[in-house]
Amino acid sequence: GAGVSQSPSNKVTEKGKDVELRCDPISGHTALYWYRQSLGQGLEFLIYFQGNSAPDKSGLPSDRFSAERTGGSVSTLTIQRTQQEDSAVYLCASSFAGDSYNEQFFGPGTRLTVL
Amino acid sequence: AQSVSQHNHHVILSEAASLELGCNYSYGGTVNLFWYVQYPGQHLQLLLKYFSGDPLVKGIKGFEAEFIKSKFSFNLRKPSVQWSDTAEYFCAVNRRDDKIIFGKGTRLHILP
Repeated sequence: GAGVSQSPSNKVTEKGKDVELRCDPISGHTALYWYRQSLGQGLEFLIYFQGNSAPDKSGLPSDRFSAERTGGSVSTLTIQRTQQEDSAVYLCASSFAGDSYNEQFFGPGTRLTVL
Repeated sequence: AQSVSQHNHHVILSEAASLELGCNYSYGGTVNLFWYVQYPGQHLQLLLKYFSGDPLVKGIKGFEAEFIKSKFSFNLRKPSVQWSDTAEYFCAVNRRDDKIIFGKGTRLHILP
């Protein structure tokens, strides 16, 4: 497809379960970002990939959160032992880093609800 | 630490009113500046961007923003808003090849 895709679009889980969120960036985009969007909190940066490496993991809120990217393409964000405060929309974005035009293209997000 | 501040969290205007949303950042040096918009039920999308050159940038749907380097500001403006401009607006900043930092957003409601 032409845009960034994310799956699932909605995820409801029970507290304590692990969840895995997937992002397919635009083909050829080397940079990939994960954000969390909560009501009243705006867009919270989680992690940034350049290729398969993550030069900046500073936004991950706890060690329950991890992410990986393989083949310079698909990325998965994993949340272990989910808590109710993890409920939010998780957004993925990609950009063609390497030049100065770091416009980010966003996916539709995954809405996570932890019961 | 680098940061982006959006002064207004929630703005309510009537149609045809003029709009200015404030954005200040704390980076030094050369920066790229963006405004993104999220219409209800839609993805975040780019509204306009500044990389270099003319500090007054024109975007889609009649929006513009002015980069004032001395004030570390990049305020968004529109002379006459429409009901369809109801959305959440995010200012964002980065240095070349560094991650983009977003502000917390401004929710704009336009009354018909």
